[in-house]
Amino acid sequence: GEDVEQSLFLSVREGDSSVINCTYTDSSSTYLYWYKQEPGAGLQLLTYIFSNMDMKQDQRLTVLLNKKDKHLSLRIADTQTGDSAIYFCAEKADSWGKLQFGAGTQVVVTP
Amino acid sequence: DSGVTQTPKHLITATGQRVTLRCSPRSGDLSVYWYQQSLDQGLQFLIQYYNGEERAKGNILERFSAQQFPDLHSELNLSSLELGDSALYFCASSASGVGTGELFFGEGSRLTVL
Repeated sequence: GEDVEQSLFLSVREGDSSVINCTYTDSSSTYLYWYKQEPGAGLQLLTYIFSNMDMKQDQRLTVLLNKKDKHLSLRIADTQTGDSAIYFCAEKADSWGKLQFGAGTQVVVTP
Repeated sequence: DSGVTQTPKHLITATGQRVTLRCSPRSGDLSVYWYQQSLDQGLQFLIQYYNGEERAKGNILERFSAQQFPDLHSELNLSSLELGDSALYFCASSASGVGTGELFFGEGSRLTVL
């Protein structure tokens, strides 16, 4: 079955690093994604990682993938107030592109 | 701006009514996906179309239906509405679904059923 799990809430101080964790169950997933949703807006793709990679870095974002444990994480360096949002982990669930999303992690950045 | 357009942005209606949500995908994208976002269910996949044909079906109720037209825009029809149908409905599009397959989301249509 397909199930993506995330913790629901994370509070972080401005300037610190944030780490959002996700576990997935479909070992055949080829791509895993991180999306960001700001209040009143749609989901915005932040980054993705191919399943044969362990790590991907994109400016302040670092994605780590542990395929053995089916664990994905997103690290945001130097977290800013503008990073306050809901972050969704997703896996590519079939060859036609359907994505299976986690419940989302609400990140609150405090000054 | 993702390039995906959804209308209407907000809709308030009564139980038992029928509504139609519309989505225009990014230029050139052949795949359209519909997702429902509610507080208790999270982001649930409803249905996917590729170049006019249904490709995948998720947790879509029988009261709901969708289609993709020759110009690639899509409509989601919700009928016999119930209070529990109140949610944010997202449309997303992708080029084809193969490859990196990232989805580009519209801003959503917020449906309130009273």
